[in-house]
Amino acid sequence: QVQLVQSGAEVKKPGTSVKVSCKTSGYIFTRDDIHWIRQAPGQGLEWMGWISPNRGVSGNAQKFQGRVSMTRDTSIATSYLELINVTSDDTAMYFCTRSGLGGASASWGQGTLVTVSS
Amino acid sequence: DIQMTQSPSILSASVGDRVTIACRASQSISTWLAWYQQKPGEAPKLLVYRASSLDVDVPSRFSGSGSGTDFTLTISSVQPDDFATYYCQHYDRYPYTFGQGTKVEI
Repeated sequence: QVQLVQSGAEVKKPGTSVKVSCKTSGYIFTRDDIHWIRQAPGQGLEWMGWISPNRGVSGNAQKFQGRVSMTRDTSIATSYLELINVTSDDTAMYFCTRSGLGGASASWGQGTLVTVSS
Repeated sequence: DIQMTQSPSILSASVGDRVTIACRASQSISTWLAWYQQKPGEAPKLLVYRASSLDVDVPSRFSGSGSGTDFTLTISSVQPDDFATYYCQHYDRYPYTFGQGTKVEI
């Protein structure tokens, strides 16, 4: 079955960077885009961006321009999200999703909690 | 960016009630709309894609409808397992934005 397994929780100081991994299995990694979505404590869902594992191209919401990088390693069917210069506003649960069915997030990772605190 | 507006923000219901959640897009998105269910401490789960297609294993009491700018998610007879927060999301063009969520509570 399709699985997306994310890396563990992170605690970061303001101004540093964080990198979250998303290891996939159960389907052909290069077939479907990976999306990254985050959720601040008690808040709604916020779409961050996407990467095409096949082509390696990515895009992100304007809000994160210049601070976010989405990459992949096809040899291990894993996608990565890196966020630089983090602040307390970046404290959130970060989810990776497999985009199937024309773009809907058909499968989700379990989430990675990133806490930014001095 | 396309804005997604859900209503109501909170919906009180009893087991067996029929409930409807609305989602409006700030511009036409055809039927490029998904609905997700999220329970506390869990990742969201896809319920509906292309506005009206149920994902696999989603109970038939859930249904989605609409096109263009106005969409609805209906639960024909709310069950105890359905008390959760529901989000709509468009995927017509980037960025894919979400509604603010509707919490269905007892």
